[in-house]
Amino acid sequence: DAGVIQSPRHEVTEMGQEVTLRCKPISGHNSLFWYRQTMMRGLELLIYFNNNVPIDDSGMPEDRFSAKMPNASFSTLKIQPSEPRDSAVYFCASRGGLAAYNEQFFGPGTRLTVL
Amino acid sequence: GIQVEQSPPDLILQEGANSTLRCNFSDSVNNLQWFHQNPWGQLINLFYIPSGTKQNGRLSATTVATERYSLLYISSSQTTDSGVYFCAVFSYNQGGKLIFGQGTELSVKP
Repeated sequence: DAGVIQSPRHEVTEMGQEVTLRCKPISGHNSLFWYRQTMMRGLELLIYFNNNVPIDDSGMPEDRFSAKMPNASFSTLKIQPSEPRDSAVYFCASRGGLAAYNEQFFGPGTRLTVL
Repeated sequence: GIQVEQSPPDLILQEGANSTLRCNFSDSVNNLQWFHQNPWGQLINLFYIPSGTKQNGRLSATTVATERYSLLYISSSQTTDSGVYFCAVFSYNQGGKLIFGQGTELSVKP
């Protein structure tokens, strides 16, 4: 079975440019999560969706960040405009079943560098 | 909010040695997961273990929910075990989020 798929795996961009990260959750999973990992802050949850609906976006750092889930098999995280402090590894994760405490599975991550 | 503390923060082993990693949490939890982040950055699920003991090859884990800790045992370590090990807990009391510890960085020398 394919796991969580993320693209691109690496992204290098210049400050001020728009960045779009993509995620395909595990088929049949109904919850999707976006995380960011930095040395300073560790792994932090940005936003999560249940059944394509955003439930909690309190971790989104500011208005420059936005996330969408137009259907059950695709989500995007967009940063516009990007800044050097956005450089990090961005992970997408998915979870199946009805219980919120079920196991989460992570994608390989997108390493973003903003120059 | 709930605090998740992992120890030790760093660990260096010779190949073949055994080790125990610890995860303490400050409140009751509904779920606990152990992950291995390999040197390529991938987060690999090791155990989903809200309570009890599980084993998978050379790895095993025990969670004692009533005492708010979990242990990850690595036996006969190999160089491929190197990386960072994360403990993450889920609690409805914390807004339904998976809260990660800061990790234990393990280096296994040949």
